[in-house]
Amino acid sequence: DGGITQSPKYLFRKEGQNVTLSCEQNLNHDAMYWYRQDPGQGLRLIYYSQIVNDFQKGDIAEGYSVSREKKESFPLTVTSAQKNPTAFYLCASNPGRGNEQFFGPGTRLTVL
Amino acid sequence: GEDVEQSLFLSVREGDSSVINCTYTDSSSTYLYWYKQEPGAGLQLLTYIFSNMDMKQDQRLTVLLNKKDKHLSLRIADTQTGDSAIYFCAESSTGGYNKLIFGAGTRLAVHP
Repeated sequence: DGGITQSPKYLFRKEGQNVTLSCEQNLNHDAMYWYRQDPGQGLRLIYYSQIVNDFQKGDIAEGYSVSREKKESFPLTVTSAQKNPTAFYLCASNPGRGNEQFFGPGTRLTVL
Repeated sequence: GEDVEQSLFLSVREGDSSVINCTYTDSSSTYLYWYKQEPGAGLQLLTYIFSNMDMKQDQRLTVLLNKKDKHLSLRIADTQTGDSAIYFCAESSTGGYNKLIFGAGTRLAVHP
């Protein structure tokens, strides 16, 4: 089945540790995105990538880093510089020509 | 800057129609979307509309667009308990290849 997978579903980390969230898609989509969702707020864009080996900052990139070494993978690292990392993180992809963004199931990160 | 606004809560009786409203500010918006999010899950695209359309109907869903007032609505006919979720309005000026701007989401509660 084609789709977007994110792992793990729940992630707990101690304050000050870096953590990497996985996002994989087998839809052969060019563009991939990372969003952050906080309660009562819409999704905010962290980073996006339109093609392999290229990515751009979104609205709230500070404290995060990404890589796009393969078309199907777009991992997000939440660094210790992110002041308030506890949130629900959503990955999405888009074929580049179409209008729809397809979303993964999300990872809930809790920093203790 | 670009902004999308929605009311936060809507409660309806099972079998009634639900109408979720959204306003946006970007006059260059080309595509407007409605996504559904069930608890702890990713977002699922329900429908989208091009800015040169006034209405789009898909089974129980009707989308109305008033481009002059920058107002978008989603009507769900014969609302069921399975429709209980958060509904996000989003807009994109370049057709999904670049970022989407999301509203904060409307939580729809369906009661018997």
